[in-house]
Amino acid sequence: GDSVTQMEGPVTLSEEAFLTINCTYTATGYPSLFWYVQYPGEGLQLLLKATKADDKGSNKGFEATYRKETTSFHLEKGSVQVSDSAVYFCALIKAAGNKLTFGGGTRVLVKP
Amino acid sequence: DAGVIQSPRHEVTEMGQEVTLRCKPISGHNSLFWYRQTMMRGLELLIYFNNNVPIDDSGMPEDRFSAKMPNASFSTLKIQPSEPRDSAVYFCASSWAARDSGKLFFGSGTQLSVL
Repeated sequence: GDSVTQMEGPVTLSEEAFLTINCTYTATGYPSLFWYVQYPGEGLQLLLKATKADDKGSNKGFEATYRKETTSFHLEKGSVQVSDSAVYFCALIKAAGNKLTFGGGTRVLVKP
Repeated sequence: DAGVIQSPRHEVTEMGQEVTLRCKPISGHNSLFWYRQTMMRGLELLIYFNNNVPIDDSGMPEDRFSAKMPNASFSTLKIQPSEPRDSAVYFCASSWAARDSGKLFFGSGTQLSVL
């Protein structure tokens, strides 16, 4: 079946550091890929997405590129802020599907 | 739009009691999802509806759990009887599947504690 694997956290960084969260997936066909973010005490919200190979999703300084050859969708941000402290979830959905498959989530803590 | 609205925000109950969680999806959305989040098991999809019809309930843990969607603007998740292992945060999410598959809007969740 489909699956998403993320690096385990927590990831602890200093403000203005570079952030990378690894995400790899297993799926047949050509899924769409997503990153969701969950701030403390809130529900998840969509951060960015990519629908086909080599697409780059970007939002709020975060970027991720759909790499079909390595089945990866790593999340990056060049300079993190304390406000980026959250749990980040990688997810996929199959074409014509309606059910997201989520990774286990990666907690990020940014210290001032 | 007010977003996905869940109630109650917090629920504390005793083992054996019935618990009902409520959700109002975003107006116009045609898909609704119930998720459960725990430290041990992460985020689990319990059930989802399309156009008020349950499509996949394979994630519902056992017969103690039931979900309904009587109309496009309301859904409930019921646990009867509740057990301590049901303690978790329960999220409702909605989407317009045909237009933007995978783009879910989540509510703020219900923190359930079963003593």
